[in-house]
Amino acid sequence: RKEVEQDPGPFNVPEGATVAFNCTYSNSASQSFFWYRQDCRKEPKLLMSVYSSGNEDGRFTAQLNRASQYISLLIRDSKLSDSATYLCVVNNAGFQKLVFGTGTRLLVSP
Amino acid sequence: DAGVIQSPRHEVTEMGQEVTLRCKPISGHDYLFWYRQTMMRGLELLIYFNNNVPIDDSGMPEDRFSAKMPNASFSTLKIQPSEPRDSAVYFCASIGGGGGAYNEQFFGPGTRLTVL
Repeated sequence: RKEVEQDPGPFNVPEGATVAFNCTYSNSASQSFFWYRQDCRKEPKLLMSVYSSGNEDGRFTAQLNRASQYISLLIRDSKLSDSATYLCVVNNAGFQKLVFGTGTRLLVSP
Repeated sequence: DAGVIQSPRHEVTEMGQEVTLRCKPISGHDYLFWYRQTMMRGLELLIYFNNNVPIDDSGMPEDRFSAKMPNASFSTLKIQPSEPRDSAVYFCASIGGGGGAYNEQFFGPGTRLTVL
């Protein structure tokens, strides 16, 4: 079983739609969680950290469910520029190692 | 402020040749990471350094791979001899601020390696 699992997609949505991605992780001792965004042929960049209480940044909302060991990302009012691959990332306690999911591809169309 | 710098951006070589990838982390960052990304396996951590010292190299696939960090501003990843299955994008990343749990990892633009 992979340490971080994501639906690879692609998710095809029209502009303005709301879309949600989920991710599950296997290590119950994991302490910190992130969503990174990767554009085609570019490097990954931090989109947002995911805290236990959940957090929101504009159109983006991230949630963490420790009991079920999953992380979610909600994107409201999708823009064409949101088209990218979204990587779910887990950092294990006491280590700087990041474990990346293989990503969920989002395509937003006009 | 310059980000993580990697060179070369693209490398095409023949099987059996030595390949050296280079990375300059963000100034003041004390952690440096090397990753490999392929379509099949996604982004995998190969090795990381703290204050120029290798901390975990468990992701290095085999003895053909080696990495060094001679000083705080430079690291290399070497593949010798290279094989076609080494074809991938290799990213370098760095973290500052003592490497806190929620500190952002900054990635370089990557080196796209093709081994023929």
